[in-house]
Amino acid sequence: AQRVTQPEKLLSVFKGAPVELKCNYSYSGSPELFWYVQYSRQRLQLLLRHISRESIKGFTADLNKGETSFHLKKPFAQEEDSAMYYCALRGGIQGAQKLVFGQGTRLTINP
Amino acid sequence: DAGVTQSPTHLIKTRGQHVTLRCSPISGHKSVSWYQQVLGQGPQFIFQYYEKEERGRGNFPDRFSARQFPNYSSELNVNALLLGDSALYLCASSSGQGNQPQHFGDGTRLSIL
Repeated sequence: AQRVTQPEKLLSVFKGAPVELKCNYSYSGSPELFWYVQYSRQRLQLLLRHISRESIKGFTADLNKGETSFHLKKPFAQEEDSAMYYCALRGGIQGAQKLVFGQGTRLTINP
Repeated sequence: DAGVTQSPTHLIKTRGQHVTLRCSPISGHKSVSWYQQVLGQGPQFIFQYYEKEERGRGNFPDRFSARQFPNYSSELNVNALLLGDSALYLCASSSGQGNQPQHFGDGTRLSIL
């Protein structure tokens, strides 16, 4: 079964502090992992994906197959990072679009 | 860039009624997926359509159905509405090729009274 777990529903840090949003997954094959973000009054949008191995808005995430994790990190949080963050997994056959989402973590950056 | 568009934005129905939600994908995208997002939870996959054929179905009852048209737009239909169907319904589109990511619309907020 495919499952994504985000253990923290709420996370609050101060501006300039490091941020880590946790994501663990369960999948027997080779998954694709994504982080989606939803800013206030905006639609859900892709933040980054593990196959790109890039940094977006200062965020990075590394797929750790041994620990089945895909934690999202940023060394210095900014107020504009306050948003809802969802970790998602895509598995199955090539071209299949089913995404399995975690329950989300609401990140609040305090000034 | 128009993005994924959904209509209507809000809808109020009563138990037992049926509803049709509509989605227009990004130009050039041939795959459309539907998700249900209940308050406080992440989106849950309902259907995927590609080139007018169903490619995937989530764990939803037969009251939920969908179709895709030749212009790649899509409709989600829900019959015999229940209170538990109250949710935000999201549509996402992608090219459907390779590992291209999905792009989401703003959703339709459905409330069942």
